[in-house]
Amino acid sequence: EDQVTQSPEALRLQEGESSSLNCSYTVSGLRGLFWYRQDPGKGPEFLFTLYSAGEEKEKERLKATLTKKESFLHITAPKPEDSATYLCAVQARTGFQKLVFGTGTRLLVSP
Amino acid sequence: DAMVIQNPRYQVTQFGKPVTLSCSQTLNHNVMYWYQQKSSQAPKLLFHYYDKDFNNEADTPDNFQSRRPNTSFCFLDIRSPGLGDAAMYLCATSTDLAGGKPDTQYFGPGTRLTVL
Repeated sequence: EDQVTQSPEALRLQEGESSSLNCSYTVSGLRGLFWYRQDPGKGPEFLFTLYSAGEEKEKERLKATLTKKESFLHITAPKPEDSATYLCAVQARTGFQKLVFGTGTRLLVSP
Repeated sequence: DAMVIQNPRYQVTQFGKPVTLSCSQTLNHNVMYWYQQKSSQAPKLLFHYYDKDFNNEADTPDNFQSRRPNTSFCFLDIRSPGLGDAAMYLCATSTDLAGGKPDTQYFGPGTRLTVL
């Protein structure tokens, strides 16, 4: 069964304090791994798609990386507006393109 | 801007009173999804439409139904809401890419359902 585990569950950072969020996955052939940002009371906002081990993608202070077993979301010099829940999801190569989500990491960045 | 729109953003209903949630999209995507998300939990897929073909998840209760009258619109009907159905309901869309490429889903803002 395809599975996604995210850690830590919650992370508190000071503004400017860089860190990484982890997404470990097991999937029967990876079609794609996705990172989303979700603000309270809103729908997930798409950030990145990765599908090849060694791939990296960047957007402002965020960089996502992928290995065969896990993905990291690196946050460099975070600002309070980066506070949100970050969701990781995988899509298997076989069957329908269903997303299997992790439960997310709640990030709080204090000024 | 192309987007996924959900109405209403907040819906209050009474126990057992049918309710319909709406989703529309301007992305012209052929696949539309409905998810249920409870507090601090991952989104849970209820069903999806691939074009006009309806696909139900095995563990989705019969209380939940869906309609897709055209490419742009999709509705979620909850026939007899229970207290356990209070949640955020998310609509998402995607387009089926050939060649086994990842199929990104784009989400709407969600509808928060309260059951009294």
